[in-house]
This record gives sequence, structure tokens and C-alpha cells, in this order.
Amino acid sequence: DAKTTQPTSMDCAEGRAANLPCNHSTISGNEYVYWYRQIHSQGPQYIIHGLKNNETNEMASLIITEDRKSSTLILPHATLRDTAVYYCIVRVEGNYKLTFGKGTLLTVNP
Amino acid sequence: EAQVTQNPRYLITVTGKKLTVTCSQNMNHEYMSWYRQDPGLGLRQIYYSMNVEVTDKGDVPEGYKVSRKEKRNFPLILESPSPNQTSLYFCASSFGGKLFFGSGTQLSVL
Repeated sequence: DAKTTQPTSMDCAEGRAANLPCNHSTISGNEYVYWYRQIHSQGPQYIIHGLKNNETNEMASLIITEDRKSSTLILPHATLRDTAVYYCIVRVEGNYKLTFGKGTLLTVNP
Repeated sequence: EAQVTQNPRYLITVTGKKLTVTCSQNMNHEYMSWYRQDPGLGLRQIYYSMNVEVTDKGDVPEGYKVSRKEKRNFPLILESPSPNQTSLYFCASSFGGKLFFGSGTQLSVL
């Protein structure tokens, strides 16, 4: 699976949009982009995934660039409860093993 | 409610005393796995199972055993725990690329 690069940490003001970038420049055509988050010491939680089109669900939006070499997770109105480590992972369809890197620690400030 | 249930949540034991951490899922998922999480090292996969009676090693299997006699259960067994197995453990089950994690087991081996 392709490797991802994320910033170590980011800050966001409560109520504002949080935009978390991820670089996956070696992604191949059959690899999906997945986002998970982990709130302190809890089990990671699935957020969203996509292949090439932008995706939106009740938690977040995922914007994938046209060349698929990077993506951005958007939390439209961040709350204090969104403070967590966010992991960007690329995965080949059918491969159940997910490799979690160090992720981005997002801190939402009041 | 769809969930992955791990027990116990906290466990303190002594070196060499066999222990089992239980994991159960109610989503009829075929794939289950165990991870350990240590500061600075992120989430690392210990063992995984693609289906009943099918298990395989992950990245850090030494000192651990698993079994998958039924689809819903995937216990993690430490035959002779050592202090370097002190860690936060997570069980997960998967449908497609979506992993569903348990709440975690904080294990301390003295």
C-alpha cells in the first residue's frame, strides 16, 4: 500500500472548518483513501473513504485532487469533541490490512 | 447496536501468568484483527483472521496467540506475558475497508 504523509499537528478554532491535508503521491489506481480518527486512548473510528470522487457524509467531506496524489479531510464546523489524532490511509480494495502512521493531532480550541 | 466488545478494559498482571483478552463482534464480519498501540510507535497489527479457523501473523506476533473457532470471537492469548507486552490493545472487525474497533484493553505486565 502507498505511504502517506500528514502534518504532525494542527490547530483549529471551534466552529470553524478544519482542513486536514494528506499527501499520497505514490498512490496507485486501485487504492482507496481512508480516514480514521482516534480520540484519546479510544479505538480508532472510521470517518470516510473515497477513490477519486469527492465524498461527503454526516461526519466530514473528503476532497481528492484530480491526480489523486493528495487529499483533504474537511470537518465543516469543528467542535471541541473533534480534538483527536486523524489518520490518512491508502488501501487496495480487498486488502484488509491497514497500516496506521502517526497521523495528525488536531486540537480544536475554544 | 453494532459493536466490538473487548474485555477486560484494564488488566494488571505479573510476568509469566497466562492471560486471555476476549473480543467479540455482533456484525457477522469475517475479518478480525488485533493491534497494539505504544507511544511513538503507533498502531501495529499483531494477528488477523480472514475467517473461522483462518489466522495469520501481523507485524508483531511474537509472544501472542489467537484462535478463531467461531466467527464472532477472536481472543488474544498471552501464554507467558513479559513487561514489554505492556501496551494498549485493540481488537477490530472489518467489512470492506471499514474497521470497527473495540474500546481497548490497557495491559500492564509487572
